[in-house]
Parts: sequence; C-alpha cells; structure tokens
Amino acid sequence: DTEVTQTPKHLVMGMTNKKSLKCEQHMGHRAMYWYKQKAKKPPELMFVYSYEKLSINESVPSRFSPECPNSSLLNLHLHALQPEDSALYLCASSQGLASEQYFGPGTRLTVT
Amino acid sequence: AQSVTQLGSHVSVSEGALVLLRCNYSSSVPPYLFWYVQYPNQGLQLLLKYTTGATLVKGINGFEAEFKKSETSFHLTKPSAHMSDAAEYFCAVSDWGGAAGNKLTFGGGTRVLVKP
Repeated sequence: DTEVTQTPKHLVMGMTNKKSLKCEQHMGHRAMYWYKQKAKKPPELMFVYSYEKLSINESVPSRFSPECPNSSLLNLHLHALQPEDSALYLCASSQGLASEQYFGPGTRLTVT
Repeated sequence: AQSVTQLGSHVSVSEGALVLLRCNYSSSVPPYLFWYVQYPNQGLQLLLKYTTGATLVKGINGFEAEFKKSETSFHLTKPSAHMSDAAEYFCAVSDWGGAAGNKLTFGGGTRVLVKP
C-alpha cells in the first residue's frame, strides 16, 4: 500500500478563519512533507518532518503552522491566510530522507 | 545548489507515437533522479527513479528513462503514446540533505497532449 490520504479535498476559508489540513500515511514512513503548488507550477517545499521532528522550514510565513502528532499523521494549521495562499497543498511521505516521496491527492484551498 | 531544466513546457504527440520528455539537471553530488506524473486535480505519482546502478530505468505505464552522467540528462521516453498519458510530467532531483532532510527540486514541468 503506497497511499497517502489528505482531508479535506477542497477547502474554502475567509481571511479570518482558522482551519487545518490533515495528512495520513500507514506505510511506516518516517519522513513527511508539505508542499504548495500553484496552477501550472511545480510543487514548492514548505516543511519536512523527520522522525516527528521539524527538520526543514522553507521560510514559510507563520500563518502556516505544521504539526506532526505521531509518525502517521501530519497536520497543517492555517490562520489569517491571504488570497495569494490559494493553491493545491500536497502532502508526501518517504521511507527515509533520501528515498522517493509518495504524494497524497492534495487539498485545494481557496482563500476569500 | 540543485537545479532541473525541462525542455519544452508543452509537448504534443499523436497516439501511438514516441513520447520523449527532456530533463537536464545540475548537481554537485551524485544525484537521485525522479520522474513524476500529475493528472488534473490529483497529486503526483512516481513513474520511476534513478539512484545507483543500471542507468536505464524502467517505470510504470511503459515509461523508461536513461541517466547520462556525461550529459547531465535524465530523459523520459515511452515507445507508443496512449490517450491516458495526457498529463503533466515533472522531473526532480533529490538533494543529499543528510540529517537536515531530503529536498526535491522540481523542473518546471512538461504538459503532454495526446492527439487521436
């Protein structure tokens, strides 16, 4: 099973809302990632968790707050977003830090 | 720093014709290389990868890629295009982040259109 699941599939939120994106994998992978993808662009790395610890933060604004409650779950908490934050948010996981990454289907976020 | 260049943001092929997607990379260390496919409104699916060993790599859906160190290339091919191959394709190189983590650097993507 090489499945990464993400919920919700779609999310519309206002600029004052607080929401969370959820990602789950049951492959025993120890690295998990958040990416942001704008239309017609490649994914851009936001955060990397390795063994449930944040190892990379690509200078992401503090209105995005990641959380890794356990080895299977990864959350992205959203607060006070801007319309330009509208994008497809992809989660990925990998066995190790140098292994191939498996992506979830993404959450399509629209900020109004 | 790693970088990936995909030549051609759009490629149009006829059904049954050869698919060739070009990827060149720059890396200061031996790279891990990947091809991913993305269908509309979906996540990325791994097609194939090169780490070490055999330079001709076979992947899913009839795709293969050849690592050529001298040319710093990792071009993707499929002998006969199918309508279902219409999608966006991304080449990526992995940075040896060590304890800091694994960072994928993606090319700009190539959109493949398959004509009947």
